[in-house]
Amino acid sequence: KQEVTQIPAALSVPEGENLVLNCSFTDSAIYNLQWFRQDPGKGLTSLLLIQSSQREQTSGRLNASLDKSSGRSTLYIAASQPGDSATYLCAVNSGNTPLVFGKGTRLSVIA
Amino acid sequence: DVKVTQSSRYLVKRTGEKVFLECVQDMDHENMFWYRQDPGLGLRLIYFSYDVKMKEKGDIPEGYSVSREKKERFSLILESASTNQTSMYLCASSFGQGSTDTQYFGPGTRLTVL
Repeated sequence: KQEVTQIPAALSVPEGENLVLNCSFTDSAIYNLQWFRQDPGKGLTSLLLIQSSQREQTSGRLNASLDKSSGRSTLYIAASQPGDSATYLCAVNSGNTPLVFGKGTRLSVIA
Repeated sequence: DVKVTQSSRYLVKRTGEKVFLECVQDMDHENMFWYRQDPGLGLRLIYFSYDVKMKEKGDIPEGYSVSREKKERFSLILESASTNQTSMYLCASSFGQGSTDTQYFGPGTRLTVL
């Protein structure tokens, strides 16, 4: 059974810092890996989707990488801003079953 | 833009009441999902549906049922609400389960059972 782990559970950084969020998964037979953002009391918003054949995807200041063989993905946020404060969740799509989510990393960017 | 709407943002019910949570998507998506989210436990899948009138149990279906009579609407039913069902409920939809498909989430319903 696929398991997804995100470390750390919470992270606090000063504004302007570059940071990395980590995601690991136990079964490398995946269709894609997705990163979502969740603001307090709100639903999830899709940020980036990396297909299993891809190594990385970029959107603005966000860059997500995927190493399928080692079961790892990272979300890199450049020049962090207070508006980046949110919970970031990764999820794995194994094709025949619903997405499996990690518990998320709660990020606080301090001005 | 895909839009997933949920019938209520906040709901307060009493123990034993029957509760209906409605979810509607406007993008003709095949798949719909119900999750609950609790601090420290993350997102947990309750039920999902890959087609009209079809439903599959997720990880925590006990105490819940669902209905999907139309493609765009997926309802979650708490037959007899209990205090341990106080939670944030999130609905999502997706076109498929392929390598480029992502899920779109509604804004959530925060349910309190007294």
